[in-house]
Amino acid sequence: GAVVSQHPSRVICKSGTSVKIECRSLDFQATTMFWYRQFPKQSLMLMATSNEGSKATYEQGVEKDKFLINHASLTLSTLTVTSAHPEDSSFYICSARETRNNEQFFGPGTRLTVL
Amino acid sequence: TQLLEQSPQFLSIQEGENLTVYCNSSSVFSSLQWYRQEPGEGPVLLVTVVTGGEVKKLKRLTFQFGDARKDSSLHITAAQPGDTGLYLCAGDRTGTASKLTFGTGTRLQVTL
Repeated sequence: GAVVSQHPSRVICKSGTSVKIECRSLDFQATTMFWYRQFPKQSLMLMATSNEGSKATYEQGVEKDKFLINHASLTLSTLTVTSAHPEDSSFYICSARETRNNEQFFGPGTRLTVL
Repeated sequence: TQLLEQSPQFLSIQEGENLTVYCNSSSVFSSLQWYRQEPGEGPVLLVTVVTGGEVKKLKRLTFQFGDARKDSSLHITAAQPGDTGLYLCAGDRTGTASKLTFGTGTRLQVTL
């Protein structure tokens, strides 16, 4: 099956700093990638849709200036959490959509802890 | 984003028992997917159903898509400890940008 990687898998940062998370589709091209946030014992909440070569589409209530998304190539999307605060601590998961059958394949997630 | 309602939210059973997880919505979906997620990992796709009334089997797991494509169920026969995890349904709504709408999740624990 299709493989999606995320880096880093875990990150701890100080309040006020910025953190970049990478999402890569390893064996297929993805014109669309998605970024989700998951709180403990809860389901996934879509944050934004990342389209290669164009601006990301953010879900209602998600601050686009705080969660910067860049989809510069068909295999890479990045999420930058700017000026992170403790309430941004969460499990961030990306997915990449395979255009052949429209299935989404998920990355292993990145656990962000903001001190 | 409207969520799909899953029931039960939590299920603890013994090895060998059968169980059914339900995924319900008032919206029609062009397709519906089931995922299993283990702690600290991303969801792993189990199956995609696209046709109303469709039934798919994956070893001991049976998935059904409702006739009206608004609901789905997952039935596990003879559950094993390896089935433990968070089960998520996710619908792809017709006419949208094909974003997935995730269910509320069902946490399954299978004990010896």
